[in-house]
Amino acid sequence: DAGITQSPRHKVTETGTPVTLRCHQTENHRYMYWYRQDPGHGLRLIHYSYGVKDTDKGEVSDGYSVSRSKTEDFLLTLESATSSQTSVYFCAISRDRVDEQYFGPGTRLTVT
Amino acid sequence: SQQGEEDPQALSIQEGENATMNCSYKTSINNLQWYRQNSGRGLVHLILIRSNEREKHSGRLRVTLDTSKKSSSLLITASRAADTASYFCATDAFTNAGKSTFGDGTTLTVKP
Repeated sequence: DAGITQSPRHKVTETGTPVTLRCHQTENHRYMYWYRQDPGHGLRLIHYSYGVKDTDKGEVSDGYSVSRSKTEDFLLTLESATSSQTSVYFCAISRDRVDEQYFGPGTRLTVT
Repeated sequence: SQQGEEDPQALSIQEGENATMNCSYKTSINNLQWYRQNSGRGLVHLILIRSNEREKHSGRLRVTLDTSKKSSSLLITASRAADTASYFCATDAFTNAGKSTFGDGTTLTVKP
């Protein structure tokens, strides 16, 4: 498995609270991605990063922000969690923008 | 917007049979990738096929790409119970490079 870890793996939080998910890689890949996956569906891109401090929005970025201060870490923040953000969140990395992506194990987030 | 869509949504076969699943997309692409996801796990990359390629093989997997029809197929030969998983196609659109769009997947069940 590619060296990607996500923390926490499970989290339950209340509506209105801030939440930060962390993705850590040991592969020194330039590109990092955050996706969400809802039951019975594929992945939808939230944000991605193409280098330290370089990020861009994906398909479903509203309500989410990201930061990448080091090559190995990509943080996803929900400023004020809502029930619609209950989902499984996956981080992925790739060497180049049109290369295959390697996925982390996922974080299951429940917003009550 | 949904770029890649898999068909069928669900497929059930006996061990030893071949499994074919299809992916259709809407706009011109740089490449198309197939991923597998076992229940509760992250996605695993299977094959990447570029827009100038027509067919690729990897072990028991065969992927074809028809850019004139905007479609791809994944064939798994001599299926095994361990192939039971969800399979997703991801397209990297020419006009949106680096932002892969995933379909909702095909759930494959291989009965022993």
